[in-house]
Formats: sequence, C-alpha cells, structure tokens
Amino acid sequence: DGGITQSPKYLFRKEGQNVTLSCEQNLNHDAMYWYRQDPGQGLRLIYYSQIVNDFQKGDIAEGYSVSREKKESFPLTVTSAQKNPTAFYLCASSGGASSSYNEQFFGPGTRLTVL
Amino acid sequence: AQKITQTQPGMFVQEKEAVTLDCTYDTSDPSYGLFWYKQPSSGEMIFLIYQGSYDQQNATEGRYSLNFQKARKSANLVISASQLGDSAMYFCAMRGMNTNAGKSTFGDGTTLTVKP
Repeated sequence: DGGITQSPKYLFRKEGQNVTLSCEQNLNHDAMYWYRQDPGQGLRLIYYSQIVNDFQKGDIAEGYSVSREKKESFPLTVTSAQKNPTAFYLCASSGGASSSYNEQFFGPGTRLTVL
Repeated sequence: AQKITQTQPGMFVQEKEAVTLDCTYDTSDPSYGLFWYKQPSSGEMIFLIYQGSYDQQNATEGRYSLNFQKARKSANLVISASQLGDSAMYFCAMRGMNTNAGKSTFGDGTTLTVKP
C-alpha cells in the first residue's frame, strides 16, 4: 500500500540528547514537510523540501535539522538546542510543491516526550 | 508572508444539522491553494477539500463544501447533515505558488462537537 510511515510512534528523550525521527514515503512525491503540533494547537512548519538534496526552513526551524538524500526519505533531527521539544510531530508529502493543486498526505505522527 | 486565521476555537452542532467553520487568509501570492483537513482524536490528518484561487466555482466533496469569497479572503467550510463521526478538530491551510511556493501554513483549528 502507498503511504507515509513515521517511526517510532512514541519517543522518549533525556534532556541534552539529540534524537532523529524517521519519515518514509512510497508515493513518489517530490515534496516533503515536517510539522510540529502542540496540544490543542495548529500545525507549525519546521522544514520543507521540494526536491532531493534541497530543503528550506519553515517558521520554527531553530533547534531542528533535516536531510533529503533520497526522494522517499526526510528524517528530522531534534537537537539539544531545541528548548521545548515535547510535542507531536507530523510528516507529510505532496505530489509537487510547484503546484498548489496537490493536497498533503500525512503520516501517523510521532509523539516526542522529553524526560 | 502568508497567514490563516480561524476565529472559532470550538463549535457545537446538533446531529443532522449544517455547520459553517470560518477561515480567513492573507497572502502576497497572486496564486494559491486553500485546503481543509480533519484531525480526529487519534491524531491523523485527513484531507477534506481543496479550492484553487482561480477556480470560478466553489469546491464540493460529498457533505463538504467550501464557501470561497476571494475579495473577502475567506474560505469557510460548510458541513451538511452533521454526523457524530464529524466530531474532530478542523484545520484550514494554504499553500502559495509564487513567493511562498511550496510553503504551507495552517490555522489554529476549530474543535467541532456534534451533539446527538
């Protein structure tokens, strides 16, 4: 089945540690996105990538890093510089970022908790 | 820059009645797309409906319709014949094609509760 997978579903981290969230899609989509969602709030864009080996900062990129070495993969690293990383993280992809006519398909999300 | 505003944190509707969820937007892009998503308590994001900025007709998808008023920069979602399963959080979003090409912006959402 085509779709987006995120792993792990739940992640616990100690303060000061870096952690990497996985996002894989087999939809052959060009564009991929990472969002952060805090309880009862909307999605905020962290990073997005329109093509392989290229990505742009979103609205809240500080304390995060990404890579896009393969079309199907867009991992997100939450670094120790992120002051309040506890949140729900959603990955998404869409067919072509140059067109606004493609809805985003979302993964199931990863809940990160800093202990 | 682009911005989405949803002014209704919570809404209640009686089962089988219609409800309108408000969304206003602001963007510097002359061409853009507007989207509505549903997020149940499970956390998954479900795409509902899309409206292009140059579309002449309002979009419809089953019980969902989008009331697009470009001059007023509003893109309200109308859900007809509400069902208990419609209880969820609803997000309005936009993506630009020019200055903001590829960048998506979401509103803060509206929590809809359908009463039996």
